[in-house]
Amino acid sequence: QKEVEQNSGPLSVPEGAIASLNCTYSDRGSQSFFWYRQYSGKSPELIMSIYSNGDKEDGRFTAQLNKASQYVSLLIRDSQPSDSATYLCAVNMISFSGSARQLTFGSGTQLTVLP
Amino acid sequence: DTEVTQTPKHLVMGMTNKKSLKCEQHMGHRAMYWYKQKAKKPPELMFVYSYEKLSINESVPSRFSPECPNSSLLNLHLHALQPEDSALYLCASSQDDPYNEQFFGPGTRLTVL
Repeated sequence: QKEVEQNSGPLSVPEGAIASLNCTYSDRGSQSFFWYRQYSGKSPELIMSIYSNGDKEDGRFTAQLNKASQYVSLLIRDSQPSDSATYLCAVNMISFSGSARQLTFGSGTQLTVLP
Repeated sequence: DTEVTQTPKHLVMGMTNKKSLKCEQHMGHRAMYWYKQKAKKPPELMFVYSYEKLSINESVPSRFSPECPNSSLLNLHLHALQPEDSALYLCASSQDDPYNEQFFGPGTRLTVL
């Protein structure tokens, strides 16, 4: 069974610190990787997409991908209380029915940024 | 426009009711998805439409019936649901390319009494 695993939470960081969220995946053939942010009671919002090994930066967010280690991470610099949410790692994998590549989600990491 | 819309926002229905959820996107995407999300769990894929044809049904019970009238619209028809079907139902869309970057709508919060 194809899996995506995220570091267990919840994770608390003080305001202004760097929050580090980690994710590993089982399917070596995966080619696209995403981070979604989900506030309580809301739908997932795509915040980062990464397709190549290395780092990708967008504002305070940096996604890091290492396909050899099957590892993807998200760093949030200068964390703000408004970053408090659940962060979902998603990997494009063969679906459970085996018919096509579809997103497989990790269980999510709940982040709290303390003022 | 990177928006996916869903109606209604909230829905309460009895086990004998028939209702429908609606989803619309105007991003020119050719793949649309229905997900179910229970509290504190990740989204769980239900159905995928690609170019208006059903391409994936993740063994969803027949009381859920999807429909894709055109490339911008996606419906989910509900009939004889059970209380355990209460959840947040999410619609998403993507370009249906190898990257599969999906954008979610706001969801419909469904309660089955």
